[in-house]
Amino acid sequence: AQSVTQLGSHVSVSEGALVLLRCNYSSSVPPYLFWYVQYPNQGLQLLLKYTTGATLVKGINGFEAEFKKSETSFHLTKPSAHMSDAAEYFCAVSTGGATNKLIFGTGTLLAVQP
Amino acid sequence: EAQVTQNPRYLITVTGKKLTVTCSQNMNHEYMSWYRQDPGLGLRQIYYSMNVEVTDKGDVPEGYKVSRKEKRNFPLILESPSPNQTSLYFCASSLKLSGNTIYFGEGSWLTVV
Repeated sequence: AQSVTQLGSHVSVSEGALVLLRCNYSSSVPPYLFWYVQYPNQGLQLLLKYTTGATLVKGINGFEAEFKKSETSFHLTKPSAHMSDAAEYFCAVSTGGATNKLIFGTGTLLAVQP
Repeated sequence: EAQVTQNPRYLITVTGKKLTVTCSQNMNHEYMSWYRQDPGLGLRQIYYSMNVEVTDKGDVPEGYKVSRKEKRNFPLILESPSPNQTSLYFCASSLKLSGNTIYFGEGSWLTVV
């Protein structure tokens, strides 16, 4: 069965610093991997996803993630944090097959300090 | 504009009083689902639907019902709500096959007292 582990339920960075949010997955089949962001009082918005092909995936708002099969990881990074990046971030893996079900991690709340 | 719309956004209700959370999408997606979000647990799938009149249980279906009479609508029904169903609920839709982007509604905060 697929599962997702996000290390660090709370991460705090200074404005302009590197953002690194960690995600490890478990999957018995080649996974589809997603990062979603949730701003306060809003729904989930897709940041980026990996399905096949290039393992370095670029998303919106300057975020990117790299699929590393050997490490079963899909960490999210951004070179320089902005105040507007403060939100909760969810990593998710798709179960594959005919249903498009996502298994979510427990989320990482990112705080950006001025 | 591509949208998943759910209502109500906020609701406080009493134990045992039936309620329905509506969900509608305008993207002609076959696949729709409901998730609940609880602190420290992330999002967990309640029910999903592959198409009209085709629904199935997700990971936490107890206490919930759904129906899919039209492609665009997928209401979530709580026949007899209990306090442990206090949560943030999200409706979602996508094309059917795995790997397609899933679009989420803005969420419905439900409190059962």
